[in-house]
Amino acid sequence: EIVLTQSPATLSLSPGERATLSCRASQSVSSYLAWYQQKPDQAPRLLIYDASNRAAGIPARFSGSGSGTDFTLTISSLEPEDFAIYYCQHRSVWPHTFGQGTKLEI
Amino acid sequence: QVQLVESGGGLVKPGGSLRLSCAASGFTFSDYYMSWIRQAPGKGLEWVSFISNSGTTITYADSVKGRFTISRDNAKNSLYLQMNSLRAEDTAVYYCARYCSSTRCSAYDYWGQGTLVTVSS
Repeated sequence: EIVLTQSPATLSLSPGERATLSCRASQSVSSYLAWYQQKPDQAPRLLIYDASNRAAGIPARFSGSGSGTDFTLTISSLEPEDFAIYYCQHRSVWPHTFGQGTKLEI
Repeated sequence: QVQLVESGGGLVKPGGSLRLSCAASGFTFSDYYMSWIRQAPGKGLEWVSFISNSGTTITYADSVKGRFTISRDNAKNSLYLQMNSLRAEDTAVYYCARYCSSTRCSAYDYWGQGTLVTVSS
């Protein structure tokens, strides 16, 4: 199965700062990479699909880039509600594995 | 609006069985592929199983293969997960999630609120 490795495990930033989260795949997933945000006691929410497409209703401060094995989620200017855990997931082949998550904290 | 509502979770002894349900509304259920995804307490997300819109294509994670069975009833707009031979490591919140339609795909775009399954003696 394809292993997704996210870095860093924890990212400590302040509101207004720029956040850059990384996801690396053990083999190419083409552009079939998604990013999800999860807050405590809530279901994950889709942010980005197919590496760079924002899901419906997602603010423009969230952007995704990359292809093949290296991907990045960028939050251009952090809002207080952005502090959460972020997961990447591929849908290249079965199983559709997730990364272990990056906790974005204040 | 799209809604996915899971039910059927609870406390079960090791070796026991449980059947989860997911009621879908707000979209044409029979057009969409669906999956179950779980999250152990304090842990990350684990994809569990997939079923195509017609139910003819099904896949499972190795960790549940041979023990779990996914199914759907398009007439009832419902998704199911039959879980047998449950183990302590199956303890998790189980989410149903909408995947692709037959004409477009944008990853897992809607998720239910989850139902907690606890396997313990």
